[in-house]
Amino acid sequence: EDKVVQSPLSLVVHEGDTVTLNCSYEVTNFRSLLWYKQEKKAPTFLFMLTSSGIEKKSGRLSSILDKKELFSILNITATQTGDSAVYLCAAQSIQGAQKLVFGQGTRLTINP
Amino acid sequence: GAVVSQHPSRVICKSGTSVKIECRSLDFQATTMFWYRQFPKKSLMLMATSNEGSKATYEQGVEKDKFLINHASLTLSTLTVTSAHPEDSSFYICSVRGSVNQPQHFGDGTRLSIL
Repeated sequence: EDKVVQSPLSLVVHEGDTVTLNCSYEVTNFRSLLWYKQEKKAPTFLFMLTSSGIEKKSGRLSSILDKKELFSILNITATQTGDSAVYLCAAQSIQGAQKLVFGQGTRLTINP
Repeated sequence: GAVVSQHPSRVICKSGTSVKIECRSLDFQATTMFWYRQFPKKSLMLMATSNEGSKATYEQGVEKDKFLINHASLTLSTLTVTSAHPEDSSFYICSVRGSVNQPQHFGDGTRLSIL
């Protein structure tokens, strides 16, 4: 059975800190790994990673995929209170409709 | 701008009522849309894959007669929760994807409360 596991499940830090969120996966015929940010409503897309070892960056956020060790990390530097959210990672298979399997999410709280 | 429009955003109704939720793809034609359910403080659980012009594919444990999916056009999929009961109360979210190389984009979700 396909599985995605995120850690930690919850993280509280102070504004300005750097955080690293982890995501490991076991997916048959893996295609890509996606990161989403969810605040009060639906998830918003952050990154889609298909190749191993290539870092993707967007402002203070960056992510990288390791297809040998089957994990990905999401880094956020100089955190701000607006970064407080649940961060979800999801793995996509190449089979069938290429649906996403989501992890449990990491609830990140940034205190001022 | 928004890629996906989901309506309504909130529904409160009595037990036994059937509720229809609409999901519209605004930016591109979507032959495939996805329906998820999310319980409080839990992750997204895929319920079904909606296929334009054909039957939806349901995940194991999801009752297809309970959760009716219709994908009649390339921009619209609907989920109908039939004869809803309090245990059906949840946050329902749809997503669309342009092609296999593109990420899924999510609607704003529908919070369903059955009294």
